Parts: sequence; C-alpha cells; structure tokens
Amino acid sequence: AQSVTQLDSHVSVSEGTPVLLRCNYSSSYSPSLFWYVQHPNKGLQLLLKYTSAATLVKGINGFEAEFKKSETSFHLTKPSAHMSDAAEYFCVVSAPYGGATNKLIFGTGTLLAVQP
Amino acid sequence: DTAVSQTPKYLVTQMGNDKSIKCEQNLGHDTMYWYKQDSKKFLKIMFSYNNKELIINETVPNRFSPKSPDKAHLNLHINSLELGDSAVYFCASSQVSGANTGELFFGEGSRLTVL
Repeated sequence: AQSVTQLDSHVSVSEGTPVLLRCNYSSSYSPSLFWYVQHPNKGLQLLLKYTSAATLVKGINGFEAEFKKSETSFHLTKPSAHMSDAAEYFCVVSAPYGGATNKLIFGTGTLLAVQP
Repeated sequence: DTAVSQTPKYLVTQMGNDKSIKCEQNLGHDTMYWYKQDSKKFLKIMFSYNNKELIINETVPNRFSPKSPDKAHLNLHINSLELGDSAVYFCASSQVSGANTGELFFGEGSRLTVL
C-alpha cells in the first residue's frame, strides 16, 4: 500500500536560511508524489509534483524536491526562507482506489515557522 | 473570481441537527471531491464525483450524503450531527482524474463545530 511519512511535525528556520522538510514514501511501484502548502485558514495549493520524469522537481515560490528511490525520500527544499513561507506543508502520494481511479493520501503535515 | 468556493465558511450547530455545505467550481473541471481535515490537520478523502457520478466513497458514516446536481457543484449534507463531525471540510476539483496528476484545486474550507 502507498503511504507517506513526514518526519518532522514542526520546523523552525530563520528568514534567509535554507528550508528542508522531510518526507519518506512507501510504494509497491513507482509512485506519483506531490507537495501541497496550506496557509492559515486557507485551502491547499499544489507546490510541485513528481510523476516519474526528472527526479529533481521545481515548483512555485522557489521550492524544489528531489525524488530518491534508493532512500525512498522526497524531501522539499528552498535555499532561502521568506516570512511568507510560514505555513503547513503536506507530502502526498497517489494511490489506486479502483479501476482507473486514484486517490491522494496525505501525510500528517509539517508546520514551518519562519523567524525574522 | 474564486475558483472553488464553499459556503458557509463557518458553521456552529448543536448535536443531532442536520446541516449542508455547498461547493461550486468555475474551472470547468470534471471531478470534485470532499475532504475532511481533523483538529490535528490530518486530511482524508471522503467522496469524489466525476461528471456527477460517484467514483470514490471512502468509509464514511451514511449520515454523510454528497450530491452533485451538475459537474460544477458538489454539496455535502450531514444528518444527525455528532461531536466527532467537528472538522474543516474542504471541497476540491480537478480536471479528469486529478489524483493521477495530483493537481487538485481546493476551496478555503468550511469549519464545522458541533456543540
């Protein structure tokens, strides 16, 4: 069965320093993986996606993630944090539901705090 | 223009009542979803419709009944509300089967509080 594990429930960084949000996945086949962001009292927004093309995926707002099959990881990074990056981040995997239908399985989330 | 809009944004009600949440999308998408986010931010799919046809129905109490009058609308009706139904309910939409591409567009959520 497909699943994702977010290794940190909270991450705090200073503005201008790098961001690393960790995600490990479990999948019986080559997975489709995604990162979503949720700002306070807002809906979720897709940051980036990996669907078996390039292993280094670039997303919006300067975020990127690298798919590493040997480590079953899909960590999210950003070189320099901005105050506006403070939000909840979800690692997501696509899993079969039935027939041609898939469903998204969300990780438990990582709350990113950015200190001035 | 809001792409995926839900109403109401906040809903406070007593146990045992019946309530509905409405969702509309103006993106021209074929598929719509209801997700539940609990107090620990855990997000889980409840239902999905594709062109008014139910395609995903997770293990949800039958007090929850989705209805899709057309592909731009997906409503959620909840009967006999219980304390455990308190959560934020998110509507989302995607083109075709968005779970394959991961590209879902979410509304801002409807926060339901059952007293």
